[in-house]
Amino acid sequence: GQSLEQPSEVTAVEGAIVQINCTYQTSGFYGLSWYQQHDGGAPTFLSYNGLDGLEETGRFSSFLSRSDSYGYLLLQELQMKDSASYFCAPKGTGGFKTIFGAGTRLFVKA
Amino acid sequence: NAGVTQTPKFQVLKTGQSMTLQCAQDMNHNSMYWYRQDPGMGLRLIYYSASEGTTDKGEVPNGYNVSRLNKREFSLRLESAAPSQTSVYFCASSEGISLNTEAFFGQGTRLTVV
Repeated sequence: GQSLEQPSEVTAVEGAIVQINCTYQTSGFYGLSWYQQHDGGAPTFLSYNGLDGLEETGRFSSFLSRSDSYGYLLLQELQMKDSASYFCAPKGTGGFKTIFGAGTRLFVKA
Repeated sequence: NAGVTQTPKFQVLKTGQSMTLQCAQDMNHNSMYWYRQDPGMGLRLIYYSASEGTTDKGEVPNGYNVSRLNKREFSLRLESAAPSQTSVYFCASSEGISLNTEAFFGQGTRLTVV
């Protein structure tokens, strides 16, 4: 079967670092994507990990461990505009479709 | 630079009515998707089309049909709308379903069934 687990909510202060964890189970696995969605908006792509390790894109980094079926998104130097929902989305075989979970709602406080 | 365009943006239907949600992309992408998003449920895949001429069911296909009209367009049809289909619907596209490629989303259709 397929499953995804992310924390439902995370709260952090402006300027801090926050890590959003994701564990997944899919029928086959290609890689793990992360998307950001602001209230009322469409999801937008943040990063993709096809291999184990850390990928860095500016203030955001994403990590993958295939052996642990685990990944995380790291947001540094948090800004108020980072308040949004963050979705991990594993891409698996069996149709190669990308599955999204319920997401993690991040609240950034001043 | 339109990307993925969905129409309409808002719609109210009565139970039992039918309608078609339209989606078009101008990025020459092979793969297209329809998701629905309900509060606290994240995005759930309804149907997808890996390439022109093919469609497959996702997680929640019941009550929906799709048509991949051509490479650009992928429509979602509700034959007999039900209140449980009240949701925000997102169309997305990506270059290739088996490649490391990001999905681009439309701005969504907010559908209410009364």
